[in-house]
Amino acid sequence: EDQVTQSPEALRLQEGESSSLNCSYTVSGLRGLFWYRQDPGKGPEFLFTLYSAGEEKEKERLKATLTKKESFLHITAPKPEDSATYLCAVQAEWGAQKLVFGQGTRLTINP
Amino acid sequence: EPEVTQTPSHQVTQMGQEVILRCVPISNHLYFYWYRQILGQKVEFLVSFYNNEISEKSEIFDDQFSVERPDGSNFTLKIRSTKLEDSAMYFCASSRPGYLAKNIQYFGAGTRLSVL
Repeated sequence: EDQVTQSPEALRLQEGESSSLNCSYTVSGLRGLFWYRQDPGKGPEFLFTLYSAGEEKEKERLKATLTKKESFLHITAPKPEDSATYLCAVQAEWGAQKLVFGQGTRLTINP
Repeated sequence: EPEVTQTPSHQVTQMGQEVILRCVPISNHLYFYWYRQILGQKVEFLVSFYNNEISEKSEIFDDQFSVERPDGSNFTLKIRSTKLEDSAMYFCASSRPGYLAKNIQYFGAGTRLSVL
């Protein structure tokens, strides 16, 4: 069974304090790993997709990396507007289109 | 920028009643999905739909659930007889085919379903 585990569950940082969020996955064959941002009461907003170990993607203060077992979302010099829940999801290679999500990391950036 | 739109934003219903949740996917997308998120829990896959038929469904998607694309723009989720445990946020998503689309699913803002 495909599984995704994210850690930590919650993270509180000061503005400008860099850190990383972890996503560990077990999947029969990885078709893609996706990072989404979710604000309270809203739908997931697409950030990145990664397909193979060693791949990296960047967007503003965020950088996502991928290994064969896990992905990291690095946040550099965060701002209060980066506060949100960050969701990791995998899509299995031999399955259909469904995404399997982790429980998310709730990130709070204090000014 | 194109987006997935869902209506209503909040639906309150009595247990045992039928509800229909509506979605307008992004116009050039051909794959459609429903997910749900019970408060404080993970986002869970319900069903995927392509070429006017269900392509995959989860164990949650039992006989009480059905999906339909009644016209060229709408995609609906019907729950025939709601239960208390159906209370959740329901998200519609869509994606377009092809290698360059990279399997990216775009989500709507959700419909909060409250079953009393």
